[in-house]
Amino acid sequence: KAGVTQTPRYLIKTRGQQVTLSCSPISGHRSVSWYQQTPGQGLQFLFEYFSETQRNKGNFPGRFSGRQFSNSRSEMNVSTLELGDSALYLCASSAGLAGGYNEQFFGPGTRLTVL
Amino acid sequence: KNEVEQSPQNLTAQEGEFITINCSYSVGISALHWLQQHPGGGIVSLFMLSSGKKKHGRLIATINIQEKHSSLHITASHPRDSAVYICAGSSYNTDKLIFGTGTRLQVFP
Repeated sequence: KAGVTQTPRYLIKTRGQQVTLSCSPISGHRSVSWYQQTPGQGLQFLFEYFSETQRNKGNFPGRFSGRQFSNSRSEMNVSTLELGDSALYLCASSAGLAGGYNEQFFGPGTRLTVL
Repeated sequence: KNEVEQSPQNLTAQEGEFITINCSYSVGISALHWLQQHPGGGIVSLFMLSSGKKKHGRLIATINIQEKHSSLHITASHPRDSAVYICAGSSYNTDKLIFGTGTRLQVFP
């Protein structure tokens, strides 16, 4: 079974631009979660989607948004990029059926650099 | 105070040593996850547990629900075990993970 894939793997943008990151979960998985990892703040939860519905949202500004498609693929968008948005963005997928007790499988991440 | 606390933050060991990483949490969780992150960023799920003890190869994870404490043990450590180990809690009815700050382990030959 193919693992979680994320595209692109690396991205360089300038302040004020917007960016879209993509995550394809493991086949059959219906839950996708997004996380941001920075040296200063560590790993922080962004969103969780299950069957195209946002099930949970972290404490991030409205510039961060996401969605999930009917095939469970998910995208997250960051508008009006700031220097502080430079981070490793990770997505994780799970079957999502046993609320709170699902093993999560992580993708390799997208490293975003904002100049 | 963070909802999930880990100790120690950094750990160095000689090959073959027994290693313990501790995790305490102050929130209600449905499961406790132990994750491993190698340089370069990829995260691998090692264990997910809600009670008792699990073992996989040289790795053992335990959890005490009453004390809200979990430990990850590595027996006969090896340089390839060098990585950051992260504990995280997942809440009820959601996959949202609340992470500890991680423990950086270096095992020297």
